Amino acid sequence: KAGVTQTPRYLIKTRGQQVTLSCSPISGHRSVSWYQQTPGQGLQFLFEYFSETQRNKGNFPGRFSGRQFSNSRSEMNVSTLELGDSALYLCASSQISSYNEQFFGPGTRLTVL
Amino acid sequence: GENVEQHPSTLSVQEGDSAVIKCTYSDSASNYFPWYKQELGKGPQLIIDIRSNVGEKKDQRIAVTLNKTAKHFSLHITETQPEDSAVYFCAASKVDSSYKLIFGSGTRLLVRP
Repeated sequence: KAGVTQTPRYLIKTRGQQVTLSCSPISGHRSVSWYQQTPGQGLQFLFEYFSETQRNKGNFPGRFSGRQFSNSRSEMNVSTLELGDSALYLCASSQISSYNEQFFGPGTRLTVL
Repeated sequence: GENVEQHPSTLSVQEGDSAVIKCTYSDSASNYFPWYKQELGKGPQLIIDIRSNVGEKKDQRIAVTLNKTAKHFSLHITETQPEDSAVYFCAASKVDSSYKLIFGSGTRLLVRP
């Protein structure tokens, strides 16, 4: 099976712009979670989607949003970019089962200038 | 609130020696504890996990132990090899209606040849 794929791998934006990141989960996985990774804050949970519904959200401002499509692919959007949004954004997918194994993609490196 | 503490932040061992990384979690309802390995430029890779109904799990040179009473869990790598050099993250989760992982701050492991 192919792993989790994320596009684009690298992005450079300027303050005030918005950005959309995409994630394709492992085939058959219906849960998609997003995490932000920075040197200062580490890995932080953004939100999780299952069956096109957001099931949980982390402590991030409303500028961070996401959605999931019927084929389980997911996008996250960050509006009005700030310098502090520079980070590696990771997507993880999971099968819905009694276990919680999550498999991560390679991430999208976002740089805000 | 939910928190996972991880120690040490850096660990340097000689090839062939053992390495131990320790984590403590705060939420007693946590029942799933994965470990991830992250190499430079890549997303975290799930290497082993343990559920709260098990005290120890082993997979070749890697083992994880869980002490629910003390809310501690540890990763043990035996016979370390240079390719084990990476950043290791522990995480904790409640397998409920959402797959949210709370990560530790990471341990940079260096295996000296």
